[in-house]
Amino acid sequence: DGGITQSPKYLFRKEGQNVTLSCEQNLNHDAMYWYRQDPGQGLRLIYYSQIVNDFQKGDIAEGYSVSREKKESFPLTVTSAQKNPTAFYLCASSDPGTGIYGYTFGSGTRLTVV
Amino acid sequence: QKEVEQDPGPLSVPEGAIVSLNCTYSNSAFQYFMWYRQYSRKGPELLMYTYSSGNKEDGRFTAQVDKSSKYISLFIRDSQPSDSATYLCAMIGQAGTALIFGKGTTLSVSS
Repeated sequence: DGGITQSPKYLFRKEGQNVTLSCEQNLNHDAMYWYRQDPGQGLRLIYYSQIVNDFQKGDIAEGYSVSREKKESFPLTVTSAQKNPTAFYLCASSDPGTGIYGYTFGSGTRLTVV
Repeated sequence: QKEVEQDPGPLSVPEGAIVSLNCTYSNSAFQYFMWYRQYSRKGPELLMYTYSSGNKEDGRFTAQVDKSSKYISLFIRDSQPSDSATYLCAMIGQAGTALIFGKGTTLSVSS
């Protein structure tokens, strides 16, 4: 079955550590996205990528970095510069070239700072 | 003014009730409108997808878009306990950008 796989499901980070969240899709979608979800805040865009080797900052990119070396993969690194990283992180993909702009989401990674 | 406004609720209704969920927006460039359903600790799933103004029906769900008022709605008929979730509206104006989401409305349907 086609879909998006996020791993790990739960992640614990110590102060000062960088951690990387994995996102893989087998939908052959061109575009991929990272959102952060906090209680009462909705989904806030961190980064997005329309094609391989290209990505754009979203509304809250500070303290995060991404890469898009393969169409299927869009990993997110939460750096030590992100002061409040505890949140639920969602990866999504879409295929805007088809004129359909809806997203398919992964099941999320819950990151906790310990 | 935020681009997309959505009342977070919570909204509690008895089983069988008609539910109305709404979002307002400020950007007249938005053309595509969606509703996502998110169960606790899960990723959102696409529920309804509409283009421009008008109505779209799918089973117990009806999505309405009124671009002149910058207002979209989701109606759920004969609500069920399994409809208890957070409902997020989302919209986009053009290719090359990303969806803008409302904050989500938490719905609880009691049996």
